[in-house]
Amino acid sequence: DSGVTQTPKHLITATGQRVTLRCSPRSGDLSVYWYQQSLDQGLQFLIQYYNGEERAKGNILERFSAQQFPDLHSELNLSSLELGDSALYFCASSPQGLSVGAPQYFGPGTRLLVL
Amino acid sequence: GENVEQHPSTLSVQEGDSAVIKCTYSDSASNYFPWYKQELGKGPQLIIDIRSNVGEKKDQRIAVTLNKTAKHFSLHITETQPEDSAVYFCAAHSGSGNTGKLIFGQGTTLQVKP
Repeated sequence: DSGVTQTPKHLITATGQRVTLRCSPRSGDLSVYWYQQSLDQGLQFLIQYYNGEERAKGNILERFSAQQFPDLHSELNLSSLELGDSALYFCASSPQGLSVGAPQYFGPGTRLLVL
Repeated sequence: GENVEQHPSTLSVQEGDSAVIKCTYSDSASNYFPWYKQELGKGPQLIIDIRSNVGEKKDQRIAVTLNKTAKHFSLHITETQPEDSAVYFCAAHSGSGNTGKLIFGQGTTLQVKP
């Protein structure tokens, strides 16, 4: 158990809908990262937040947005869902204070199925 | 752009044999290289990592080597056991300090036959 929690575990929804995925980082970790894992694209970085501020962005679609709250939990919002958004979504957290990268600890993921 | 190539995509070994997975990265500024193990239905689990100022690191049956000049890094698993069967991902960190992302390889499915 990494200490990172994600809810829900599974989500089934229809095209055009909007969903929210939730992540709680390990105690004391200020950075939260979101990744998407699909069969054809592998593990792709979406976005990073550090202590409430956006710090890095990857290939995140405009239909997707995220935020990190004062209690450090984070939410990933996916809107106008398409079939191709079906994937596993992982949250990871890492400790602060390291100057050369930082270990990222992954949660169990949310499996999203868009029908 | 940033890219990590990982080989082989599948690897089958007999229990007790060694397994080696190799990765190549493109961003010369990358300075941190973790390896993850992912079992079916679970999230990636960090198993070992190495920083750019170190050439080799070992943790029991697992070792990682880094050649910065060639931009290669490898995972070595000795005395493999059936429970080592999983998908293994290499990654390279892009960015500095508390900013950045991991660029992942495509994964290697390791099967250890009893």
